[in-house]
Amino acid sequence: QVQLVQSGAEVKKPGASVRFSCKASGYTFTAYYIHWVRQAPGQGLKWMGLINPSSGTTSYAPFLLDRITMARDTSTTTVFMELSGLRSEDTAVYFCVRSDMDYYGLDVWGQGTTVTVSS
Amino acid sequence: EIVLTQSPGTLSLSPGERATLFCRASQSVSNTYLAWFQQKAGQAPRLLVYGASRRATGIPDRFSGSGSGTDFTLTISRLQPEDFAVYYCQQFSTSPLTFGGGTKVDIK
Repeated sequence: QVQLVQSGAEVKKPGASVRFSCKASGYTFTAYYIHWVRQAPGQGLKWMGLINPSSGTTSYAPFLLDRITMARDTSTTTVFMELSGLRSEDTAVYFCVRSDMDYYGLDVWGQGTTVTVSS
Repeated sequence: EIVLTQSPGTLSLSPGERATLFCRASQSVSNTYLAWFQQKAGQAPRLLVYGASRRATGIPDRFSGSGSGTDFTLTISRLQPEDFAVYYCQQFSTSPLTFGGGTKVDIK
């Protein structure tokens, strides 16, 4: 079945970096975008950016431009996202999400990865 | 960026009632890139509607989306017990992709 499986929970100190992985299976990896969306405790959804697994082209949200990097490995159908310069405000659940390339419908979500940033 | 404002913040209804949720955009959004999601506590969001009015795979027909321009609506015709949740609208007509703040539908 179509699924996205994310890496496990992380606890980081302020200023550190964190790297997430998102393994896709059950569909043609290069035919769908992968987005990252985060949700702080008790808050709404915030888009972080996307990667086109076919070309590797990325688009990042302006509020993260200098702190985020996305990459993909087509041989393992895995997308990676690294967030640097962590702050307490980065404490959140991070989701990778698939979308089609026509409507950008975010139709398949990973299980989420919890990141806690604390000194 | 396009700001999506959802109303009401909370909707208190009984099972079997009709729910009408609103999403207003700060500038015009192409219907093609307007979607609605349902999220229950501790779960990832679930895509309900995309392209403003197209139901996603497996979504019951009691969920319907409508609207155009800056005003969009999600209607749940007869609330079932499993429909009590938080609902978000989302646009990607213009980058960055943005979400509304959510409407909580709870049991009256």
